[in-house]
Amino acid sequence: DVKVTQSSRYLVKRTGEKVFLECVQDMDHENMFWYRQDPGLGLRLIYFSYDVKMKEKGDIPEGYSVSREKKERFSLILESASTNQTSMYLCASSLYTNTGELFFGEGSRLTVL
Amino acid sequence: GDSVTQMEGPVTLSEEAFLTINCTYTATGYPSLFWYVQYPGEGLQLLLKATKADDKGSNKGFEATYRKETTSFHLEKGSVQVSDSAVYFCALSDNSGAGSYQLTFGKGTKLSVIP
Repeated sequence: DVKVTQSSRYLVKRTGEKVFLECVQDMDHENMFWYRQDPGLGLRLIYFSYDVKMKEKGDIPEGYSVSREKKERFSLILESASTNQTSMYLCASSLYTNTGELFFGEGSRLTVL
Repeated sequence: GDSVTQMEGPVTLSEEAFLTINCTYTATGYPSLFWYVQYPGEGLQLLLKATKADDKGSNKGFEATYRKETTSFHLEKGSVQVSDSAVYFCALSDNSGAGSYQLTFGKGTKLSVIP
């Protein structure tokens, strides 16, 4: 079975803290994505990566950065967490570029106090 | 830009009722269309897809037909079960080349099925 694993299901952080969300996929997929999911807003793309060390901004990159040092791992970084970054964060991967078939992790629910 | 509009929820149905969740889209080219489902406490998973006009995607008793003339991709199921309770997302993939890495999602429709 294909698997996308997000390291933390639930996190609570304080305003101003640096936060790392880790995502690992075991499918040798080229493409990886970070979304945030908020009630009434659906899924919004933060960043994506189509190759190691490559990254592209999505629709809402402000306040976030990413790292992809290895093909299987894609990290989302909040340099200085703020309360408006309280959300569910979903990582996904795909083998091909424009087929739309994404495999998602279970999500990381981040609360920033 | 591309966009997806789906009916707002929540939708509450009794077991064995007929389900329709409406989805319409706006896209510049000829997108591929998808329905994803998110069960409680889980990530999204692909439910079905259609890649060209008049294609019908189906899976687990769910169906959706790609209607280019009405720019729609409505999700249907003839008889829902309690286990179908989830959030359903309509999505499109722009196949025009530009932005083709990305999926555009609707806001999601929460379905609750009561016994």
